[in-house]
Amino acid sequence: LAKTTQPISMDSYEGQEVNITCSHNNIATNDYITWYQQFPSQGPRFIIQGYKTKVTNEVASLFIPADRKSSTLSLPRVSLSDTAVYYCLVGDKAAGNKLTFGGGTRVLVKP
Amino acid sequence: SQTIHQWPATLVQPVGSPLSLECTVEGTSNPNLYWYRQAAGRGLQLLFYSVGIGQISSEVPQNLSASRPQDRQFILSSKKLLLSDSGFYLCAWKSVGTTRTEAFFGQGTRLTVV
Repeated sequence: LAKTTQPISMDSYEGQEVNITCSHNNIATNDYITWYQQFPSQGPRFIIQGYKTKVTNEVASLFIPADRKSSTLSLPRVSLSDTAVYYCLVGDKAAGNKLTFGGGTRVLVKP
Repeated sequence: SQTIHQWPATLVQPVGSPLSLECTVEGTSNPNLYWYRQAAGRGLQLLFYSVGIGQISSEVPQNLSASRPQDRQFILSSKKLLLSDSGFYLCAWKSVGTTRTEAFFGQGTRLTVV
């Protein structure tokens, strides 16, 4: 199974860039890396997904090194509304499409 | 477009009472379906997932069960609730036949067992 490891929490300030790194040493060849954002009392929502190198959308960027054993979610110029829990998820085809979330990273954006 | 419905939004049940939470998906066929539970301040715990009608995989031994009577319907049940069953329950779906891990979640059910 492709287990993921993330920091438990991170603090930041409005306007700063937040980078969250996720380790997934056992990632399989066909696995994608996906990041979710969860606000309190809501279901997680998809932020970004990638396979290798760099992916960017209107919300975030995802950096994946060549060995794919880690990935970094980058949130540019965060605001108070970016305070949430961020989950890194790696697809596990061998387990039959089971989706297992780790503990996530609790990001607190301060004014 | 695809949508997922989960109800009720909140539920207060006495210990020992039964439970039935329902989740339905629209706009897609043969999705993978998932039930998660989240205790206060904790991460998402996968309870059950299903890759087809009548096919249920259980991840955590407990007094909960799941059923998939129809392609786009996923039900979480219990015959007798425990205090430890309190939490935030989330249903999710994902397209089949892909290693992409983009899943879509319902709004959740906040269950309080008293």
